[in-house]
Amino acid sequence: DIVMTQSPDSLAVSLGERATINCKSSRSVLYSSNNKNYLAWYQQKPGQPPKLLIYWASTRESGVPDRFSGSGSGTDFTLTISSLQAEDVAVYYCQQYYSTPPTFGQGTRLEIK
Amino acid sequence: EVQLVESGGGLVQPGGSLRLSCAASGFTFSSYWMSWVRQTPGKGLEWVANIKQDGGEKYYVDSVKGRFTISRDNAKNSLYLQMNSLRAEDTAVYFCARDSGRYDPFDYWGQGTLVTVSS
Repeated sequence: DIVMTQSPDSLAVSLGERATINCKSSRSVLYSSNNKNYLAWYQQKPGQPPKLLIYWASTRESGVPDRFSGSGSGTDFTLTISSLQAEDVAVYYCQQYYSTPPTFGQGTRLEIK
Repeated sequence: EVQLVESGGGLVQPGGSLRLSCAASGFTFSSYWMSWVRQTPGKGLEWVANIKQDGGEKYYVDSVKGRFTISRDNAKNSLYLQMNSLRAEDTAVYFCARDSGRYDPFDYWGQGTLVTVSS
């Protein structure tokens, strides 16, 4: 199974500042035949299910604010929130869907400083 | 509007059985792979199983193989998870989630149903 490791486990950022969350996979999730990274990011707020934010490592889901961006390739990925808003307080998860079983990172808790 | 509504969770003794259901609406259910994903405070998010549009392919995480069975009824727009020989470590919130395909992210999730395995 591909192991997904996120860092940090928790993060406190001031409103309006940048937040960066990292995700590392134990094997590459880049599929060479289509040059796509099979990596997604989700946001989960208390009492709610996860919400898809980013897929193919850098494609924003419809309706997701453009302050959220994803980058990276192969085994190293980053989710960036360019200017933190109060409503962004949540736990963020990365997930690989390159191989079965699809696996998730342990989550990063994002709070306001 | 896409909606996924899980039901069937509850308290069950170790070794017992439970059947979860997920009612889908707002999209053409028969056109999508579907998954069950569970969440525990300790292990976080864990994919459990998925099923192809016609039910002809099913995949499971190793920890549930031989105990859980995923199925679907496209006429009823419903997804199921039959859980047998339940263990304490199966205690979790179980979500149904829509996949666009076998190798795609989960673009819609239900609110989840809590399964507690305890004596």
